[in-house]
Amino acid sequence: QVQLQESGPGLVKPSETLSLTCTVSGGSISSYYWSWIRQPPGKGLEWIGYIYYNGNTNYNPSLKSRVTISVDTSKNQFSLKLSSVTAADTAVYYCARGKDNQILMDVWGQGTTVTVSS
Amino acid sequence: DIVMTQSSDSLAVSLGERATINCKSSQSVLYSSNNKNYLAWYQQKPGQPPKLLIYWASTRESGVPDRFSGSGSGTDFTLTISSLQAEDVAVYYCQQYYGTPYTFGQGTKLEIK
Repeated sequence: QVQLQESGPGLVKPSETLSLTCTVSGGSISSYYWSWIRQPPGKGLEWIGYIYYNGNTNYNPSLKSRVTISVDTSKNQFSLKLSSVTAADTAVYYCARGKDNQILMDVWGQGTTVTVSS
Repeated sequence: DIVMTQSSDSLAVSLGERATINCKSSQSVLYSSNNKNYLAWYQQKPGQPPKLLIYWASTRESGVPDRFSGSGSGTDFTLTISSLQAEDVAVYYCQQYYGTPYTFGQGTKLEIK
């Protein structure tokens, strides 16, 4: 079955850009929505944004000015870039697949912890 | 933004008893053209990603035990666990996928009494 794996630096300095990649295995990235979600330590879930396999994107307005999500169908990967990070961006970052051509998230990666600190 | 509010931050229920978690949205998540409620429930255990339990407010995801059920429409929704098992200890989140930004409730931590 399809599996997702997040990868990227676990430590990012304030004001720099956080960059993560989600690799999709066991299935194609085509014909699905792909989302990024984050969870600060001990807190709830925040949807960051999604990308459709054709490149269409939608971002949370609270992060829109700093977020870019892209897709590389040849590598079966999609990526997140979050610029000008602060300590408030410290969180576990999850990637997830949309179910049945909906944004509803049915398959999640295990998550990767990103800490923003100098 | 649609604000999702879960009525309890925590809940303690005895093993074998019914557990009920409520979620309210600040506006209706019922799409009139298809009569579907764009509401999902997730279960998250410590150190794990969320797991989809229920979607369209009442459709159980494949593989989810039938002791889990969802109900409600419009703005008021409920997740029910008919007979609590030890493995059901987790945080439960509701989420609306009616409109962006897709928002989650604050979570309800379910424990054994």
